[in-house]
Amino acid sequence: AQKVTQAQTEISVVEKEDVTLDCVYETRDTTYYLFWYKQPPSGELVFLIRRNSFDEQNEISGRYSWNFQKSTSSFNFTITASQVVDSAVYFCALSEPYGNNRLAFGKGNQVVVIP
Amino acid sequence: GAVVSQHPSRVICKSGTSVKIECRSLDFQATTMFWYRQFPKQSLMLMATSNEGSKATYEQGVEKDKFLINHASLTLSTLTVTSAHPEDSSFYICSAALRSGGAGSTDTQYFGPGTRLTVL
Repeated sequence: AQKVTQAQTEISVVEKEDVTLDCVYETRDTTYYLFWYKQPPSGELVFLIRRNSFDEQNEISGRYSWNFQKSTSSFNFTITASQVVDSAVYFCALSEPYGNNRLAFGKGNQVVVIP
Repeated sequence: GAVVSQHPSRVICKSGTSVKIECRSLDFQATTMFWYRQFPKQSLMLMATSNEGSKATYEQGVEKDKFLINHASLTLSTLTVTSAHPEDSSFYICSAALRSGGAGSTDTQYFGPGTRLTVL
C-alpha cells in the first residue's frame, strides 16, 4: 500500500529564513506520481507541483524548489527566503496504482513564518 | 485555469436536517471528482470517488446512505449529508481531477475551497 510520511509536524521559522519540508514515500509501483499541496488558513488546498517517477530533475519555481531523490524515496520541498504568506499546512501526496486518480496524503507540515 | 468552486462555504443547520454541497469544475471537465473530510489539524480523509454517470465508490466506513453523492455531469458533483447530526460537523472538501497525462497516468486533483458544516 502507498504510504507518505511527513515527520515534521510543525515548523517555525523567522521570516527570510529557508525551510525544507521532508516527504518520504513507500510504494511498490515503478510508475507513480508525487504531489505537493499548500493549505493556507482559508482552507483551500492549492496545487503546487506534480512529478512522475521517471523525472528526477529538481524543479524551481520562484522561491519554491523540489528535490526528488528516487534512491531514498524522498520528494522534499524547500521554501527560500520565507515570507509570512508562506504560513500554511503543506501536504505531500502519492498516487495510488491502477490510474484511478486517488492520492495517499501525508499528515502535513504546519509551517509558521514569524515576522 | 483549473478552478473548482464549492458551495456553500459555510452552513449551520439543525440536527436531523439534510445539507447539500455542490462542487463544480469551472473551466475544465473533470475525469473524476472526490469528496474528502478533514478534522482540525489532521490530514484529508477520502470519503468517496465520484464519476459522471455512475455510482460513487465509497471508502470503508463511510455510510453511503448518509452521504449521498450525485455526479450529474463532467463538471458537477453534489454531496448530500442526510439527517445530519453534530458528529457530522466537519470541513468537507471536494476535488476535481484534470487530465494530466496519457492513459494510466494519475491526473492532477484541483480542490474547491471547502465547506464548513456545523450541526447544532
